[in-house]
Amino acid sequence: AQSVAQPEDQVNVAEGNPLTVKCTYSVSGNPYLFWYVQYPNRGLQFLLKYITGDNLVKGSYGFEAEFNKSQTSFHLKKPSALVSDSALYFCAVRDINSGTYKYIFGTGTRLKVLA
Amino acid sequence: AAGVIQSPRHLIKEKRETATLKCYPIPRHDTVYWYQQGPGQDPQFLISFYEKMQSDKGSIPDRFSAQQFSDYHSELNMSSLELGDSALYFCASSLQEMNTEAFFGQGTRLTVV
Repeated sequence: AQSVAQPEDQVNVAEGNPLTVKCTYSVSGNPYLFWYVQYPNRGLQFLLKYITGDNLVKGSYGFEAEFNKSQTSFHLKKPSALVSDSALYFCAVRDINSGTYKYIFGTGTRLKVLA
Repeated sequence: AAGVIQSPRHLIKEKRETATLKCYPIPRHDTVYWYQQGPGQDPQFLISFYEKMQSDKGSIPDRFSAQQFSDYHSELNMSSLELGDSALYFCASSLQEMNTEAFFGQGTRLTVV
């Protein structure tokens, strides 16, 4: 079964410092991986995706993610964190074994950027 | 650009009542998904439709049903509501191609009292 895991419930980082939010995956076949961000009482906003090709994927708001096949990881990164980046981040995988390739989410990581 | 529209944004119902949530997907998207997100939890897949046909079912209670209409909008019907049904309900739409992302609505916050 396709799944993703986010080992950290919360990540704290000082403003201006680099940030990393971790995600590992378990899939059969090729992985289709996504990152979403959720602000309080809002829907999930798409940040970026890995389908194939370059292992470093660039997305919205200065975020990027590094796909590592040997470590089965897809960590979200940003070189310099902003207070406004504070939110809930979800890693997701597309379930290629389901009828509609539904999205399966990790448990989420709360990012807190401290001024 | 058009986004996924959900209504209502907030809904308060009493136990044992019925609720209907509506979703209008992005035009030309062929797949609609419904997710339930409890407080502090990740979104849990409920049900999905491809080209107006139900195509996948997750952990959706028998008290819930959903359908997609000819204009592609979808409705989630919830009956005999329980306190535990209080959650944020999201609709998302996408193309079925595996390399595409889903776009989510703002969600409907259902509170059962």
